[in-house]
Amino acid sequence: GDSVTQMEGPVTLSEEAFLTINCTYTATGYPSLFWYVQYPGEGLQLLLKATKADDKGSNKGFEATYRKETTSFHLEKGSVQVSDSAVYFCALRGPDKLVFGAGTILRVKS
Amino acid sequence: GAGVSQSPSNKVTEKGKDVELRCDPISGHTALYWYRQSLGQGLEFLIYFQGNSAPDKSGLPSDRFSAERTGGSVSTLTIQRTQQEDSAVYLCASSTTTGGVAEKLFFGSGTQLSVL
Repeated sequence: GDSVTQMEGPVTLSEEAFLTINCTYTATGYPSLFWYVQYPGEGLQLLLKATKADDKGSNKGFEATYRKETTSFHLEKGSVQVSDSAVYFCALRGPDKLVFGAGTILRVKS
Repeated sequence: GAGVSQSPSNKVTEKGKDVELRCDPISGHTALYWYRQSLGQGLEFLIYFQGNSAPDKSGLPSDRFSAERTGGSVSTLTIQRTQQEDSAVYLCASSTTTGGVAEKLFFGSGTQLSVL
């Protein structure tokens, strides 16, 4: 069945460091791919998405490119801030629901 | 309300007791989803409602789990005879889609369930 695998956390970075959170997927065909973010004490919210191969989703300085050759959708940000500390979830669009990865905790130190 | 509301925010119960978790979706959202978030397990799909019907119940882990949705709005997730492995954060999400798969889900803050 469809599945999403994310790098294990927590990921701890200093402010202004470069961020990469790896995400790979297994699915039939080429599903839409997403990153959701959960800030402390808040519900998950959509961060960005890509609907087809080679698409790049971007929002709030974060980017992810849909790579069908490597079945990946890695999340990147050039310069993280303390306010980016959160849990990040990679997801794919399954036949009738979104399938999420385990989540990666990001901690940014000032 | 402005967002998806879940209650209670925290629930501590004894093993063997029944619990009810409530979700108030965003007004007008026809699709409603329940997920479970366990430490290290990610978001586990439980059940999906379109209106009042549940086309996909495949994620419910056992027959102790059930859910209903009335009036196309509020949903209740019931866990009977709770076990310690039921301890998790139960998340509800809603969306506007009337067909196909919703891509933008709006999540509540969840109910933290602790079974002692």
